[in-house]
Amino acid sequence: AQTVTQSQPEMSVQEAETVTLSCTYDTSESDYYLFWYKQPPSRQMILVIRQEAYKQQNATENRFSVNFQKAAKSFSLKISDSQLGDAAMYFCAYSMNRDDKIIFGKGTRLHILP
Amino acid sequence: DARVTQTPRHKVTEMGQEVTMRCQPILGHNTVFWYRQTMMQGLELLAYFRNRAPLDDSGMPKDRFSAEMPDATLATLKIQPSEPRDSAVYFCASGLGWTEPHYEQYFGPGTRLTVT
Repeated sequence: AQTVTQSQPEMSVQEAETVTLSCTYDTSESDYYLFWYKQPPSRQMILVIRQEAYKQQNATENRFSVNFQKAAKSFSLKISDSQLGDAAMYFCAYSMNRDDKIIFGKGTRLHILP
Repeated sequence: DARVTQTPRHKVTEMGQEVTMRCQPILGHNTVFWYRQTMMQGLELLAYFRNRAPLDDSGMPKDRFSAEMPDATLATLKIQPSEPRDSAVYFCASGLGWTEPHYEQYFGPGTRLTVT
């Protein structure tokens, strides 16, 4: 069975600094998708970034980028120039190709220190 | 700006009462998901539908929970009878499933349920 593990329940970073959130997953599949979702205090789940496993190039969305290590089954999220609005719970998630379902990790709560 | 809507946003009820939560998926989306979020368990998939057909409800307590899609614009999640351990935030999400290039699920704002 596929699992997603986020080993850091909470993290803090100074505003304008860079922070990396860790995620590992377990799967026997070779074709899958990985996601990072953000859940601010409003509770709204927002897709931050996604990565197709068949792509070697790491995905980037503005200040958000990932470090995808397929062999190590690692998928970390880097947030550059942290802003107060980045404070939220971040969920790493996995979806097998041709499967509707997404499996979520337990989340990492990120605090931004002014 | 298409979005998933959920009603009610908040619900407080007494143990033993029936609770119905509603979700309107984004028009044209063919998959609908119900999740439950608690501090202890995180985000759990309760059930999901594709083209209104239930495909997986293995995460749902069968004796008290039921999920339906009466039509393509409405999904419901019912709890009868409700218990204090059902207190959680319930999210609905919709998407185009694996036929959509990026498998994205769009989440509603959630229903915060408190059972006393």
